[in-house]
Amino acid sequence: DAGVIQSPRHEVTEMGQEVTLRCKPISGHDYLFWYRQTMMRGLELLIYFNNNVPIDDSGMPEDRFSAKMPNASFSTLKIQPSEPRDSAVYFCASSRTDKNIQYFGAGTRLSVL
Amino acid sequence: DQQVKQNSPSLSVQEGRISILNCDYTNSMFDYFLWYKKYPAEGPTFLISISSIKDKNEDGRFTVFLNKSAKHLSLHIVPSQPGDSAVYFCAASARFRGGSQGNLIFGKGTKLSVKP
Repeated sequence: DAGVIQSPRHEVTEMGQEVTLRCKPISGHDYLFWYRQTMMRGLELLIYFNNNVPIDDSGMPEDRFSAKMPNASFSTLKIQPSEPRDSAVYFCASSRTDKNIQYFGAGTRLSVL
Repeated sequence: DQQVKQNSPSLSVQEGRISILNCDYTNSMFDYFLWYKKYPAEGPTFLISISSIKDKNEDGRFTVFLNKSAKHLSLHIVPSQPGDSAVYFCAASARFRGGSQGNLIFGKGTKLSVKP
């Protein structure tokens, strides 16, 4: 079975540009999570969805960040405008209601110059 | 304030010996705990979990122990192998009322190096 698929794997952009990260969760999973990993803060939850509905976005750092889940098989995390301090690895994860184990994608390494 | 703490950033162990990774938590509402392993340039992968109704769970070379009174859990790897070298994350969650799952709160990780 395919795991969680994230694209792109690497993104290099200039400050001020819009960045869109993509995630395809595991089929049949009804929870989707977006995380950011930095050296300083470790792995922190940004937002999560249940059945495509955002449940908790309290981890989203600023209004520059937005996330959508238009259907059960696709989600995006958008940063507009991007800033150098947004540079990090962004992970997407998914899970099933009956099993509280999250399965992670390989991550997107974002560098904002 | 960190609700899940892994106080050792790194641990070095000789191949064949036991590796013990520790994790402390502060929120008494946490009732489910997990360990993840992460290799460079990959996402975290689930390793083993334990519910708060148990104090031990074993899966092959990996055993997780939970001490609720001390709010402490540990992961034992016996025997350690060079392929176990990775960053290990402890995570905890509290189920919402009604049984739906809550967020996972992660520790900052411990980098394990197993020397041949």
